[in-house]
Amino acid sequence: DVKVTQSSRYLVKRTGEKVFLECVQDMDHENMFWYRQDPGLGLRLIYFSYDVKMKEKGDIPEGYSVSREKKERFSLILESASTNQTSMYLCASSPSPDRGGHSQPQHFGDGTRLSIL
Amino acid sequence: AQSVTQLGSHVSVSEGALVLLRCNYSSSVPPYLFWYVQYPNQGLQLLLKYTSAATLVKGINGFEAEFKKSETSFHLTKPSAHMSDAAEYFCAVRGDSGGYQKVTFGTGTKLQVIP
Repeated sequence: DVKVTQSSRYLVKRTGEKVFLECVQDMDHENMFWYRQDPGLGLRLIYFSYDVKMKEKGDIPEGYSVSREKKERFSLILESASTNQTSMYLCASSPSPDRGGHSQPQHFGDGTRLSIL
Repeated sequence: AQSVTQLGSHVSVSEGALVLLRCNYSSSVPPYLFWYVQYPNQGLQLLLKYTSAATLVKGINGFEAEFKKSETSFHLTKPSAHMSDAAEYFCAVRGDSGGYQKVTFGTGTKLQVIP
């Protein structure tokens, strides 16, 4: 069974701090994603990686960066945390399309609830 | 651009009643559609997916969804609600670029099941 593990369930940081959120998947998936989830807004894609050292901006990348040095690990970095980055952060992974070109479902971690004070 | 609209941010049903959660999509390419469920304090898990095969898709926990191209809809149903179905449900459509790996999620529908 696929497991996506996020390093912290709850995290409290202060404004201006540099914050690291870590995500590890154990199924050798090519693709990894970071989302933030806010009430009434659903999931919004922050960044996406389709290979080691490759990344692509999502819909709301401002204030965030990512790192993917190894295939199984995808880190989200808040360069200088601000209160409007208080949110639930979800990491996900998926394999590449199958031979028929069908997109594959994403597998999610349990989320990190981040509070910026 | 791809998008999904979920009608109703909150839906309440009685235990044993029909569950109907609505999703309409917009897609510039043949759509692949997904329904995910999120239980409290957990991540999302896949309920079912449509990938251009059968239009009626069966998923886990007794849920199913029907793809209707003419209505651009992919509504989720379950004949008889159970207390354990109380959760938030998200409809999603695959992206139209970048190898189709990205998906766009709806804003979610919270299902309440009343005993």
